[in-house]
Amino acid sequence: DARVTQTPRHKVTEMGQEVTMRCQPILGHNTVFWYRQTMMQGLELLAYFRNRAPLDDSGMPKDRFSAEMPDATLATLKIQPSEPRDSAVYFCASGLQGNTEAFFGQGTRLTVV
Amino acid sequence: QKEVEQDPGPLSVPEGAIVSLNCTYSNSAFQYFMWYRQYSRKGPELLMYTYSSGNKEDGRFTAQVDKSSKYISLFIRDSQPSDSATYLCAMSEFSQNFVFGPGTRLSVLP
Repeated sequence: DARVTQTPRHKVTEMGQEVTMRCQPILGHNTVFWYRQTMMQGLELLAYFRNRAPLDDSGMPKDRFSAEMPDATLATLKIQPSEPRDSAVYFCASGLQGNTEAFFGQGTRLTVV
Repeated sequence: QKEVEQDPGPLSVPEGAIVSLNCTYSNSAFQYFMWYRQYSRKGPELLMYTYSSGNKEDGRFTAQVDKSSKYISLFIRDSQPSDSATYLCAMSEFSQNFVFGPGTRLSVLP
C-alpha cells in the first residue's frame, strides 16, 4: 500500500513547547514537500527536499521552524518554540523528480494553546 | 493580490448538474496546472493535470487552461454527491513546487 504516512495525526500542545512532526514518503520518491493549511491562508509551501537536500525553505519561518531528512524514509518538521499562530494542518507530500504529481499524506492537525 | 485566486464558495448544486470551478492567476510564467480534490480531514489528491494551454478530459472531468487570460477551469459533468469536496487549483512555472489556490468548497445535493 504505497502512501505517505504522517505522525502524529493530531497534536495539542502548549505555547512554547517543541513540536516534531514526522513523514514517511512513498518508497522510491526522491522529492518531499511540507505544506501548511489554514482557513485564512490556504495551502502554503513551507519547504521541499530533493534527494534529501533542501531545495527551497523560503516559506518557513527560520527562527522557529526547521525541516530535515535524516534518511530517505523519514522527513521531520520541528517547531521550537511553538506559538498559537502555528495552529494548522501540516501536510507532507512526496513525488518523483520530473513527475508533476505530488502524493499527500493525511496531515498532522496541530493545535497550540 | 494573491498569486492564485479562487472563489471559496461554498457552491451547492443538485445531483446531475454541471459544475464549473475556476481560478485566475497573475504569474504569466506558470505553465503547469493541476486540480486537486480534498475531502474533509484528508490530504489533497490529484484529479487533473494540464501542461500549457488547452483542454483535457478524463471521464466526467474536463480541465481547461487559457493562458492568454490567465484563467483555468474545471468542469464536472453529471455531478454526484461523492464529488462533494474542496477543489484546489495549483500551478507552477516548473514541474514541481506548486502554488495552490485557496480552494472552492463544493456540495452536491442528492
